[in-house]
Amino acid sequence: EIVLTQSPGTLSLSPGERATLSCRASQSVSSTHLAWYQQKPGQAPRLLIYAASTRATGIPDRFSGSGSETDFTLTISRLEPEDFAVYHCQHYGSSYTFGQGTKLEIK
Amino acid sequence: EVQLVESGGGLVQPGGSLRLSCAASGFTFINYAMSWVRQAPGKGLEWVSSISGSGGSTYYAASVRGRVSISRDNSMNTLYLQMSSLRAEDAAVYYCARDIYTGGRRHDCWGQGTLVTVSS
Repeated sequence: EIVLTQSPGTLSLSPGERATLSCRASQSVSSTHLAWYQQKPGQAPRLLIYAASTRATGIPDRFSGSGSETDFTLTISRLEPEDFAVYHCQHYGSSYTFGQGTKLEIK
Repeated sequence: EVQLVESGGGLVQPGGSLRLSCAASGFTFINYAMSWVRQAPGKGLEWVSSISGSGGSTYYAASVRGRVSISRDNSMNTLYLQMSSLRAEDAAVYYCARDIYTGGRRHDCWGQGTLVTVSS
């Protein structure tokens, strides 16, 4: 069973700064089935990135995804106030697996 | 507009049963696989179950297999999750989500969730 480990657990940054979030898989996985979601308090998750690097419909271009095999990254180039949230990575192998999430908080 | 609206959550005693529903609108329901994903209070997301568009194929997480049954009524555009033998660790917000296969597996739309509390 593949385990996804996200780091850091909490990231404290200021608006305008660059955020780099990591998602590491316990073994090599297909980047085709690697997705990222954003979740704000009290809300459902929202799809940001799929296939490791493709932005979902309506997602601003300050969000980008990259990576392959075991190491994947979500980058937010310049943080806006509305970007502070929890971010989840997900992989589909024979079933769906989520990382434990990274909380992006305002410094 | 694609919309998913869950219902059926509530307080249930350990060992009890509950059926969750997810009403879908704004898309051709039968054309999409659907999933249930849950989130325990203060925890991360956990995939629970998925079902193909026709309903002919179902999939379950090991943590719920044998206690949960996913189904759908394509004439009513509704997804279900029948849960039994509920445990404290099943307490969570349960989300239904639409599955996309093309170009990489993902859940592109989510409902607002329904809260299941398991307590005596």
